[in-house]
Amino acid sequence: NAGVTQTPKFQVLKTGQSMTLQCAQDMNHNSMYWYRQDPGMGLRLIYYSASEGTTDKGEVPNGYNVSRLNKREFSLRLESAAPSQTSVYFCASSLTGQGDGYTFGSGTRLTVV
Amino acid sequence: AQSVTQLDSQVPVFEEAPVELRCNYSSSVSVYLFWYVQYPNQGLQLLLKYLSGSTLVKGINGFEAEFNKSQTSFHLRKPSVHISDTAEYFCAVTPPNTGGFKTIFGAGTRLFVKA
Repeated sequence: NAGVTQTPKFQVLKTGQSMTLQCAQDMNHNSMYWYRQDPGMGLRLIYYSASEGTTDKGEVPNGYNVSRLNKREFSLRLESAAPSQTSVYFCASSLTGQGDGYTFGSGTRLTVV
Repeated sequence: AQSVTQLDSQVPVFEEAPVELRCNYSSSVSVYLFWYVQYPNQGLQLLLKYLSGSTLVKGINGFEAEFNKSQTSFHLRKPSVHISDTAEYFCAVTPPNTGGFKTIFGAGTRLFVKA
């Protein structure tokens, strides 16, 4: 019963490097989301995918890109990492995005030096 | 636009004591309300939710919350806490029929349960 799986769990990047965070869910959910969590700020939405084949910007999309590869997988890419992107990143999924709530992955702790 | 305010950033409490974590929200439309729990180094887990109907909702681990429309609040309560309840708790609101991408999370409340 895996739920939402994120990789990697930890990553250290140098400023300007790129990387992709991977996320996969096995619950046949339609909607998927990428959030970042910073101390005292709760969770902020970076990008979301309401259904396979669609993606849209959230509250803080600058510096990120996403790909909804198929119904299961939703990746987040940092093209040129900046120290301001140091954060904990969470992927989440939801069957409909309405009243069913989210299932979250365990997170990726990213440090950009 | 919606907003969520968790009134306490940290709540220390002794084991077996009752606890209330406060959440107020602002919205011009009706919303769905959620509480999530985050244990150290883990993702968020859904505790409970209010969609409609009875204003008192029960969740996992003995937690419950009461929706108060007039006070726009959704406070989380537990009558007797355990050490294992030490975690961060997040209140969230979602307007219906928006696909979840308008979900707003509060800043979180850290619950410390002391022996």
